Amino acid sequence: KNEVEQSPQNLTAQEGEFITINCSYSVGISALHWLQQHPGGGIVSLFMLSSGKKKHGRLIATINIQEKHSSLHITASHPRDSAVYICAVLRNTGNQFYFGTGTSLTVIP
Amino acid sequence: NAGVTQTPKFRVLKTGQSMTLLCAQDMNHEYMYWYRQDPGMGLRLIHYSVGEGTTAKGEVPDGYNVSRLKKQNFLLGLESAAPSQTSVYFCASSEPPNSPLHFGNGTRLTVT
Repeated sequence: KNEVEQSPQNLTAQEGEFITINCSYSVGISALHWLQQHPGGGIVSLFMLSSGKKKHGRLIATINIQEKHSSLHITASHPRDSAVYICAVLRNTGNQFYFGTGTSLTVIP
Repeated sequence: NAGVTQTPKFRVLKTGQSMTLLCAQDMNHEYMYWYRQDPGMGLRLIHYSVGEGTTAKGEVPDGYNVSRLKKQNFLLGLESAAPSQTSVYFCASSEPPNSPLHFGNGTRLTVT
């Protein structure tokens, strides 16, 4: 049983399209993180959310605590957005992170 | 700023050999983690530490040992490597609950 589920697993988009990646979780959390992993493997933190919505450039992350759901949106997608996007939750007990299996995004020029 | 530094980046071991992976962070974080990443699976926690001198088991601790003798360093040891330990290993640090996770660049380990 996975505490964190992401959808879709794979996503191909044309450059310029609006993209949504979803994350659902089943445990109580104190924060939710969106991470990006590029080919070549490095993982970087995009957002940390505990409520509401955050925006960085073309990326928007939202969270609904009551529904235990978060979305990552990419507006005007670009080939350089091609990466694996990972949702992670910080449990509100024990300070451990739980990770989704990732969404592999490919943006075609 | 270096952030989180992992060494080595690549390693090939034969079954039964031992090795140590080093993770160093310069952000004064209390929490440090070792994860493994395998195809089709999310990052899985091997061991973690909530401060200097402390360690705790994660989800998949068997076959690994860790030490946190200094706050900035977290070492992961494989005592007797097995092919099932072929994976990409990531170290991370954080200061929960209000800090992002900071990852090292990963170590690709192959055990033959």
